[in-house]
Parts: sequence; C-alpha cells; structure tokens
Amino acid sequence: EAGVAQSPRYKIIEKRQSVAFWCNPISGHATLYWYQQILGQGPKLLIQFQNNGVVDDSQLPKDRFSAERLKGVDSTLKIQPAKLEDSAVYLCASSEGSSSYNEQFFGPGTRLTVL
Amino acid sequence: AQKVTQAQTEISVVEKEDVTLDCVYETRDTTYYLFWYKQPPSGELVFLIRRNSFDEQNEISGRYSWNFQKSTSSFNFTITASQVVDSAVYFCALRRGRRALTFGSGTRLQVQP
Repeated sequence: EAGVAQSPRYKIIEKRQSVAFWCNPISGHATLYWYQQILGQGPKLLIQFQNNGVVDDSQLPKDRFSAERLKGVDSTLKIQPAKLEDSAVYLCASSEGSSSYNEQFFGPGTRLTVL
Repeated sequence: AQKVTQAQTEISVVEKEDVTLDCVYETRDTTYYLFWYKQPPSGELVFLIRRNSFDEQNEISGRYSWNFQKSTSSFNFTITASQVVDSAVYFCALRRGRRALTFGSGTRLQVQP
C-alpha cells in the first residue's frame, strides 16, 4: 500500500515570496492533516480536513496560510507571503477516519527554509 | 486545554542498555488516546503504539514496553537492549475526540555502539 506522498521534499525561498506544498494521502483516507514542525519541537496542527471540509483550522495563520482539499483527495498548503519564522518541516498525515483510535500515517514532509 | 510534556530533551546510552523515555500529559477529558511515534533521521514519523484511557494494562512487544499510569498522568516508553537503529527522536502524543494529535517536544535518543 502506497504511503502519504508529499512534494517537494525541500524548498528554499526568500521572505515575502510565495510557496505551495502538495500532499496525496493514502487511498481511501477521509481525514487529512497538515502539521508544522519547527526545529527542536513537536509537530503542531495547522489544519484538519474531513473529506473536503475543514474540521479544525484554529491554529492556521489565516492572514498568510491557506489550504484546500478539492474533491476530498489530495491537498495543497500555501504560504503567501512567507516570513522567516515559517522555516519548518510541513508534515501531511492521513487517517481512515477522524476518530481517536484511527492511526495517522505521516508523509516524509517538506522542509522549508525562508531566507 | 491539553498538554504533553517530555522533560528529557536528549538521552545517550550505549548499545544493549535499557532506556526509558518519560511522558506526562494533561487533559480534562476522561476519554482520550495516547501515542508514541518515532522520527528517525529520514524525518518520517513512524507510529509505535496507541493506548486508550480505559486500558491501563501495560504491554511488552519485543524490545518495547509501555507503562501507562492514569494516577500520575504518565505514559512512559522503555526500550530493552537498545540498538544503534533505535537512534531517533521519540514523540509522545495525546488525542481526544476527533481532534488532531497534540505532541510533546520530543526526546532525542542516541545509542552509541
């Protein structure tokens, strides 16, 4: 079974530029998550989708971050404009459902460096 | 609010030593799940174990064992006879209801040959 796919794996941009990350979850997984992991910290949720609807985006900086999951399959996370503090690894995860017991499977992440 | 604390930032052991990673959590919910994930240098988070709040039975799986104590809000993880391949960052996480995982800050384990 194919895992969660993410691209690109690495991205270097200058502050104030825009960037987009793509995630393709495991086939059939209804729930998709984007986490931000700053160096030396644990992942922090940015947004959670159930199919193509948003369940939780309370920690998403909506003035610069946006995400969508059209057709309830793959998802795109965008940052516009980027700031230095956005340098982090962006992890995508998916699970069959949103219940507590559903295991979340993580992708390899996209490492973003903002100069 | 919920919180997960991993007080050990980094642990270094010599191969074949046993090592315990500590995790303390805070939540007002009576129903929740606790998890341990491993993050090797490649970066991908790997699921290790899940425990629900009603199951305090501790378990051993190969070289791994877990000690869940609700009375002290702790969910500790032990690796017996550590190996170099165990070197990674280990995260404890909490989940309640349909919300996403709340992670601790991680413990970096270095196993020296």
